[in-house]
Amino acid sequence: EIVMTQSPATLSVSPGERATLSCRASQSINSNLAWDNNLAWYQQKPGQAPRLLIYGVSARATGIPARFSGSGSGTNFTLTITSLQSEDFAVYYCQQYSEWPITFGQGTRLEIK
Amino acid sequence: QVHLVESGGGVVQPGRSLRLFCAASGFTFSNHAIHWVRQAPGKGLEWVAVISYDGSEERYADSVKGRFTISRDNSEKTTYMQMNSLRAEDTAVYYCARDPSSWYNYFDSWGQGTLVTVSS
Repeated sequence: EIVMTQSPATLSVSPGERATLSCRASQSINSNLAWDNNLAWYQQKPGQAPRLLIYGVSARATGIPARFSGSGSGTNFTLTITSLQSEDFAVYYCQQYSEWPITFGQGTRLEIK
Repeated sequence: QVHLVESGGGVVQPGRSLRLFCAASGFTFSNHAIHWVRQAPGKGLEWVAVISYDGSEERYADSVKGRFTISRDNSEKTTYMQMNSLRAEDTAVYYCARDPSSWYNYFDSWGQGTLVTVSS
């Protein structure tokens, strides 16, 4: 199975600043097809279900603000949140859907500095 | 508006069975695969199973293979998870989640979850 490793475990950032979250896959999750980049990001707040932010490495889900962006390829991926708002402090998970079984990273907790 | 509502969770003894339900509304249910994802208390997310849009194909995590069975009734817009031979490590909030299409394998809408506690 593809193991997803997120870093750091906890990230402390001030409101208005930029946050950069990393996700590394134990093997490449790209295919030979340029459009087939099978990585998603989710946000989860306490007591709530996760919410899809990014799919296909860099495509924002419906209703997701432009301050959220995804990038990367192969085994290294990044979620960047610019100009952090109070509602952005949460836990973030990456997920690969390139191979079975579907796997998630262990999460990065984004906290207010 | 897409709406997924899980039910059927509760406290069950090890070795016993439980059936979870996921009722869908607000979209064409028969066009979408449905997944179950679980989250143990204080832990991360773990994908459990998926069923294709027409119910013809299923996939499971190794941790539940042979014990859990996913099914669906498109006429009732409901997905089921039959959980047998439950273990303490199955204790978690179980979410059903919609696949954006017939089989893309990420999750664009989630239910609120139902808690399963396996304890004697």
